[in-house]
Amino acid sequence: RKEVEQDPGPFNVPEGATVAFNCTYSNSASQSFFWYRQDCRKEPKLLMSVYSSGNEDGRFTAQLNRASQYISLLIRDSKLSDSATYLCVVTTNQAGTALIFGKGTTLSVSS
Amino acid sequence: NAGVTQTPKFRVLKTGQSMTLLCAQDMNHEYMYWYRQDPGMGLRLIHYSVGEGTTAKGEVPDGYNVSRLKKQNFLLGLESAAPSQTSVYFCASSRGGRTEAFFGQGTRLTVV
Repeated sequence: RKEVEQDPGPFNVPEGATVAFNCTYSNSASQSFFWYRQDCRKEPKLLMSVYSSGNEDGRFTAQLNRASQYISLLIRDSKLSDSATYLCVVTTNQAGTALIFGKGTTLSVSS
Repeated sequence: NAGVTQTPKFRVLKTGQSMTLLCAQDMNHEYMYWYRQDPGMGLRLIHYSVGEGTTAKGEVPDGYNVSRLKKQNFLLGLESAAPSQTSVYFCASSRGGRTEAFFGQGTRLTVV
């Protein structure tokens, strides 16, 4: 089983739609969680960190469920510019560990 | 601000040739990583380093070697390139193991 698994894509939605992505992780020792965004043929960039209490940044809301070991990302009022691949990332707090990426979910927003 | 810089950005190799990819960061980060990205496979960790002089294997280390002689540089070597190593390679760095990682622009490597 992959350490980090994401919803298979692509997600094709119209402008203004609300879309949600889920991600599950297998290592119960995972402590830090992130969502990254990657545009076509570009490098990944941090979208937002995911905190235990959940967090919101404008149209984006991230949630963490430790008991079920999943993370979610909700995008409200989708824009054309939201079209990208969204990567779920986890890491443990153990010394010497690295960021582990999911395969990503592709979102395409159309007018 | 340069951030993370990868050299070269594109390269075509013949099977059996060797090459070194250079990653340089100017943020004084302790952690550095090399990932490869293939269609349908996502980002897979090749090797990483948690500080100068240290390296560790990731998910797909075979066929690659790395060195971190200076804190700001992380080198990825291919001793004998194979077509299976055709990929986009990303380097990243972070202050710690659970902080934001900053990526270079990637190196597109084709092995023929």
